[in-house]
Parts: sequence; C-alpha cells; structure tokens
Amino acid sequence: DTAVSQTPKYLVTQMGNDKSIKCEQNLGHDTMYWYKQDSKKFLKIMFSYNNKELIINETVPNRFSPKSPDKAHLNLHINSLELGDSAVYFCASSQYDGTGGLAEAFFGQGTRLTVV
Amino acid sequence: GQNIDQPTEMTATEGAIVQINCTYQTSGFNGLFWYQQHAGEAPTFLSYNVLDGLEEKGRFSSFLSRSKGYSYLLLKELQMKDSASYLCAVRGDNAGNMLTFGGGTRLMVKP
Repeated sequence: DTAVSQTPKYLVTQMGNDKSIKCEQNLGHDTMYWYKQDSKKFLKIMFSYNNKELIINETVPNRFSPKSPDKAHLNLHINSLELGDSAVYFCASSQYDGTGGLAEAFFGQGTRLTVV
Repeated sequence: GQNIDQPTEMTATEGAIVQINCTYQTSGFNGLFWYQQHAGEAPTFLSYNVLDGLEEKGRFSSFLSRSKGYSYLLLKELQMKDSASYLCAVRGDNAGNMLTFGGGTRLMVKP
C-alpha cells in the first residue's frame, strides 16, 4: 500500500485555468504538508495542516487554496494558473515524536505541473 | 528565518567514501534531517540528528554539531545507485515545526 499518494502525477494545462491536486495518506499521521520544488530543485514549504487545521501558510499567492476534509486528506486547488506555477508539487505527512517535534516526513510521488 | 548551504554537485567513484557537508543558520533548531532524492522521484528519509554526534545507519552516517551549525552525511562503499540528490533539512522550533530544505547536493557516482 502506498503511504502517501497524490494524483495526478502529471498535469499539463493552459494559463488561466483552475486545477486541483489530491493527496491522501494512510499512515495515521496528524500533520500534512504541501511543498513546491522548482526547476532549481529547491523544496519550499507552502502549507502545513495539523488535524485539518492550517498551521503554516508561507508566502504563497492566495490563488493557492488548500483544503483538508479530514486528517488523511489534503488537497490543493490552484486558481488562474500562471506560467510561474510550473513546478513539481509534493504532498507529505508526519507525526509528532516523543520529543514534542515532528518526526521525518513521508513524501508522495509528486505532481509535475506544466502551465503552457 | 533559516539559511541552509550545501554544495551543488559532487562526483565520487564507486566503492569510495564521500562526505556531503551542510551548514545552517537558523532562528530556531529542533533537529536536522537528510533525505535522498533520485531524479523524478520523491525525497526519501535517510537520517535524523537532534543531538551532537554521529548517527550510523548501515553505509550511511550523519554527524551534527549544533554549536557550529554544521552537519555532514557520510556515504561509504559507494554504489552506482547512490547517484542522487541529497537534501539537508532543518526542523524549526516554531509552530508546525516545519522542515526547511537546502538546495540539495547532486552526487554523481562514476565507475
């Protein structure tokens, strides 16, 4: 069974369109994330959710709206897509460890978004 | 904020040992992680250090010095399949304890 799964794996769309990426984890983790990896391979945190509640919202345009219907799912909706949104988007999840911090994050396989 | 530096690229020979360094300057620190990422794939967890010293896991070891803001990942008995990017990530101590990643070191293992 896949621990963190996201769909679709590839997404090609035109500027101005609205698209969604879905993510599900079956690890029982309380915390889920969206990361963006650009062409220079930098992985940057976008959002962090804990038990369906938004914890972190980095400086991401409000065209990006995450939705967490339950703690096993964190979807990402993007409105009015722009060329600069082309990147690989990774969903991840983790759980609090015994030290009060979050243990390692498990990543989904990524969604390669290409805006044309 | 967090500033994490690691070399962009390294090359090593099959069977050799390679050390990938990572330096960080952070406003808060609650652990350092190393991830491996093969081209076109997801990052996968390799190691975690929260206290100073060396953590060994088979062919891979990771070292941390919190006073120096320094870590390294040591890969022994290199194999061709070790060709990948290695990402250093620092866990903050703020709400969410989020991971901040360095730019990654692309390691090429040659025969």
